[in-house]
Amino acid sequence: EAAVTQSPRNKVAVTGGKVTLSCNQTNNHNNMYWYRQDTGHGLRLIHYSYGAGSTEKGDIPDGYKASRPSQENFSLILELATPSQTSVYFCASGDMGAPLFGEGTRLSVL
Amino acid sequence: SQWGEENLQALSIQEGEDVTMNCSYKTYTTVVHWYRQDSGRGPALIILIRSNEREKRSGRLRATLDTSSQSSSLSITAAQCEDTAVYFCATDEYKLTFGTGTSLLVDP
Repeated sequence: EAAVTQSPRNKVAVTGGKVTLSCNQTNNHNNMYWYRQDTGHGLRLIHYSYGAGSTEKGDIPDGYKASRPSQENFSLILELATPSQTSVYFCASGDMGAPLFGEGTRLSVL
Repeated sequence: SQWGEENLQALSIQEGEDVTMNCSYKTYTTVVHWYRQDSGRGPALIILIRSNEREKRSGRLRATLDTSSQSSSLSITAAQCEDTAVYFCATDEYKLTFGTGTSLLVDP
């Protein structure tokens, strides 16, 4: 069964700390995405990837890095976390048609 | 309707009623996706309509697309309590751009 798995599901971080959010997909999709969701803004695209080794900037990339070491894995990295990055983060994978979303990671930066 | 910097829309209806949610988009697209998101879960695709379809049906769902006005709608017939969710439209074949969403509450 197609799946996108995110870890951790919940994370509390300190301001200035480094945070890594992980995503794994078993769908053999080339494209993977990271979104953040905040009340009143819907989902906004941070970074995406067309395949292993590639990362592209989305609409709100500032303060975030991405890494795609393999077809299955796509990470979102906050090198210096700030309280404004408190949000729910969703990973998705998909090629033709609609991406499949993970269950989300709730990040709080204190 | 949803898009851009608009606040999350909220609708409240009774079970059995019909409801329509609207979406307007800013850039050219050949496809509009409609997702639903249940509380605490990730978005899930419920219907996808392409520019050559104008109307698409799936069970109690009906989506329309008007490329000339850059708008789409999602209708639910005879809404049920389990239809309570947030509904998003999204455009672009690959790099989805989401609207702000419509929160639908269906009361028994």
